[in-house]
Amino acid sequence: DAKTTQPPSMDCAEGRAANLPCNHSTISGNEYVYWYRQIHSQGPQYIIHGLKNNETNEMASLIITEDRKSSTLILPHATLRDTAVYYCIVRARTGSGYALNFGKGTSLLVTP
Amino acid sequence: GAGVSQSPRYKVAKRGQDVALRCDPISGHVSLFWYQQALGQGPEFLTYFQNEAQLDKSGLPSDRFFAERPEGSVSTLKIQRTQQEDSAVYLCASSLSAGVLETQYFGPGTRLLVL
Repeated sequence: DAKTTQPPSMDCAEGRAANLPCNHSTISGNEYVYWYRQIHSQGPQYIIHGLKNNETNEMASLIITEDRKSSTLILPHATLRDTAVYYCIVRARTGSGYALNFGKGTSLLVTP
Repeated sequence: GAGVSQSPRYKVAKRGQDVALRCDPISGHVSLFWYQQALGQGPEFLTYFQNEAQLDKSGLPSDRFFAERPEGSVSTLKIQRTQQEDSAVYLCASSLSAGVLETQYFGPGTRLLVL
């Protein structure tokens, strides 16, 4: 799987959009970008994934650059409950194995 | 519906003791994963089951770690002769099918402290 780089920590004010970047400059054409998050003392939770196009669901939006070398997870109106560690993971349909490679992620703190 | 459950939630063991950690996956889920998460780190893969078959155990750190899923549902992770470096949160996840890109649903984890 392609290696990902994320900032170790970010802050965001409650009610504002949280934009979490991820660099995956070595991504190959068949690799998807996945985002999971882990709230303190809980197991990781799936958020969203995408291949080329931007994606949106009830939790977040995923913006992937045209060259696919980076992406941004957007939480449009962050709440205190969005405080968590966010992991950007690149996965291929074949050859990846089944394990998720979490890395260290970005610790997001949403402040009142 | 019921998610992935793990028991016990907390376990304190003396060095050298054997421990057994249980995972109840979401009913009907084919795939089951175990991960280990050290303090301040992301989860790291230990092993993977597809039904009762253990297809990948490449992440098990030593032969003291053993996992089983005999009937293709509940799984147990056993650690023999525990060491202090085994202290971590052990996470179980399951997914509906065997597809590599299937969403993994995680349990709350078992926090193991070895004294």
